[in-house]
Amino acid sequence: DAKTTQPNSMESNEEEPVHLPCNHSTISGTDYIHWYRQLPSQGPEYVIHGLTSNVNNRMASLAIAEDRKSSTLILHRATLRDAAVYYCISQTPSGTYKYIFGTGTRLKVLA
Amino acid sequence: GAGVSQTPSNKVTEKGKYVELRCDPISGHTALYWYRQSLGQGPEFLIYFQGTGAADDSGLPNDRFFAVRPEGSVSTLKIQRTERGDSAVYLCASSNGAYGELFFGEGSRLTVL
Repeated sequence: DAKTTQPNSMESNEEEPVHLPCNHSTISGTDYIHWYRQLPSQGPEYVIHGLTSNVNNRMASLAIAEDRKSSTLILHRATLRDAAVYYCISQTPSGTYKYIFGTGTRLKVLA
Repeated sequence: GAGVSQTPSNKVTEKGKYVELRCDPISGHTALYWYRQSLGQGPEFLIYFQGTGAADDSGLPNDRFFAVRPEGSVSTLKIQRTERGDSAVYLCASSNGAYGELFFGEGSRLTVL
């Protein structure tokens, strides 16, 4: 599993878009990129995942660089409920299936 | 109860005691994970089950930690001779297969005095 690097914290204003970056420069061709978030006093919850193409779902969008060495989670309109720690995880879909969490990015949303 | 259920939600014990933490995964999920999380840190992988067998237990910190999943559903994490450094939130997650989305429980907070 490739190591991922994320900023420790970010701030956003409510109703504005948020771009959360993640570097995974040692990623291999078959590693998936997953994003989870953890709200206060809760377990992590799935946000989105992808391999090569950009992905969209009801929660967010995932933009993956062409060389796959970085990706960006995009929240289109941040709300106060989006304040959480966001984790970017690179996972190898063979052999071990463990997901390795880093320290994530703590997102603060300002009203 | 459609989600992952963990009991107890809080456990306070004394150093040297034995502790069991239980996880009820989502019905039908074959994969089950245990993580632990210390304050300000991300979840740390402990062990992964596929069915009844531990497919990867490389994250268990030492032989005081053990986990079972005898019927491929409920899992128990067992900690012997607890130490103060074992204090953390222990998280359980299940998924429908190895590549599936992880569904986490709310965790069991263990405090060792």
